[in-house]
Amino acid sequence: GAGVSQSPRYKVAKRGQDVALRCDPISGHVSLFWYQQALGQGPEFLTYFQNEAQLDKSGLPSDRFFAERPEGSVSTLKIQRTQQEDSAVYLCASSSDINYGYTFGSGTRLTVV
Amino acid sequence: DQQVKQNSPSLSVQEGRISILNCDYTNSMFDYFLWYKKYPAEGPTFLISISSIKDKNEDGRFTVFLNKSAKHLSLHIVPSQPGDSAVYFCAASVTGANSKLTFGKGITLSVRP
Repeated sequence: GAGVSQSPRYKVAKRGQDVALRCDPISGHVSLFWYQQALGQGPEFLTYFQNEAQLDKSGLPSDRFFAERPEGSVSTLKIQRTQQEDSAVYLCASSSDINYGYTFGSGTRLTVV
Repeated sequence: DQQVKQNSPSLSVQEGRISILNCDYTNSMFDYFLWYKKYPAEGPTFLISISSIKDKNEDGRFTVFLNKSAKHLSLHIVPSQPGDSAVYFCAASVTGANSKLTFGKGITLSVRP
């Protein structure tokens, strides 16, 4: 597609519920990133894929967070047993060359109640 | 500990004047710097970047200056336009580190007509 597509745009989850956030990157982009942006903060790195390989997951805050990109295109970020502190905007980005920066999606705003 | 700092949360300038947005960093390993612009309910959009081997990069109305010894960079927008009103994020990376970006908290720029 023309841009990075994320779905859903908004998600309200009850505490303890599992959620899955989807990212459809720009076609042909090898690199895919997930970031978490809390209110009033800058985006914070969660994890990075090169094709289907998850090369860096150092930013995932706990083992409740899991990301996959099984065929090297669409990626899913899963959060198990959501907690209130998980409330944030989750941004996905893809890149072919860091010199041109990433292209971010519009994000998924997760609210845990 | 924040490695990328944008100490001013907001800036207001008159249309046609210069906007100067500042950013400081602490990690001397950073060697690539980017500025992103973000409108409400959208993902960040890449604006301009600079490698540590340069001290200036210009693209139209946007110029980024890098002072490595001071670990400081700035974004100049000349002339400022009302459409430039947005949140601006400074970001930095270490080449080879999977292009993971470390972001500042952002600064809200308001350009008054």
